Amino acid sequence: NAGVMQNPRHLVRRRGQEARLRCSPVKGHSHVYWYRQLPEEGLKFMVYLQKENIIDESGMPKERFSAEFPKEGPSILRIQQVVRGDSAAYFCASSPAGANVLTFGAGSRLTVL
Amino acid sequence: GQQVMQIPQYQHVQEGEDFTTYCNSSTTLSNIQWYKQRPGGHPVFLIQLVKSGEVKKQKRLTFQFGEAKKNSSLHITATQTTDVGTYFCAGLEYGNKLVFGAGTILRVKS
Repeated sequence: NAGVMQNPRHLVRRRGQEARLRCSPVKGHSHVYWYRQLPEEGLKFMVYLQKENIIDESGMPKERFSAEFPKEGPSILRIQQVVRGDSAAYFCASSPAGANVLTFGAGSRLTVL
Repeated sequence: GQQVMQIPQYQHVQEGEDFTTYCNSSTTLSNIQWYKQRPGGHPVFLIQLVKSGEVKKQKRLTFQFGEAKKNSSLHITATQTTDVGTYFCAGLEYGNKLVFGAGTILRVKS
């Protein structure tokens, strides 16, 4: 069984560009979570999704950030008009329905120049 | 909202010394989980505690869940260089999402 797959692993963008981060959960997992991590800091919750539904987006900035988990395909975290402060590691995690133990992906490291 | 505080932020120990990290929640938890993140890696699930006062062991690691289900600790006996990394607790409030502590960075000097 493949774990949580995230891509790209590293992404470099210039200010004002868009960043799209993709996450394929563990096969059979229907819940996806996105966390953001700055160097030597903790994991900040961003959003919790089930298929086609956003369950909790209380950690998402109100502007420029969006997330989806379509019926088919990976979950996408989209950051529009990136700024330097968006530079961070973005981790996706998944869990089965009814459980809350998370399996994390390797992360996508975004650098904004 | 729910907050999970974790101390200390950093801990440097000599190889062979013990290490403990503490986790406190502002609210009562349904369970608490611990994760380890190696430098440059991603968080990996270690254990979940559910019952009040529960104690679980994994080799040199001992995990405790407080009687009031608001605090937890992770103790490592006789640290080794392979223990290096950041240890996160994560608390699940009833009917809510998992909230992570800020983590304790462990460095081991050989």
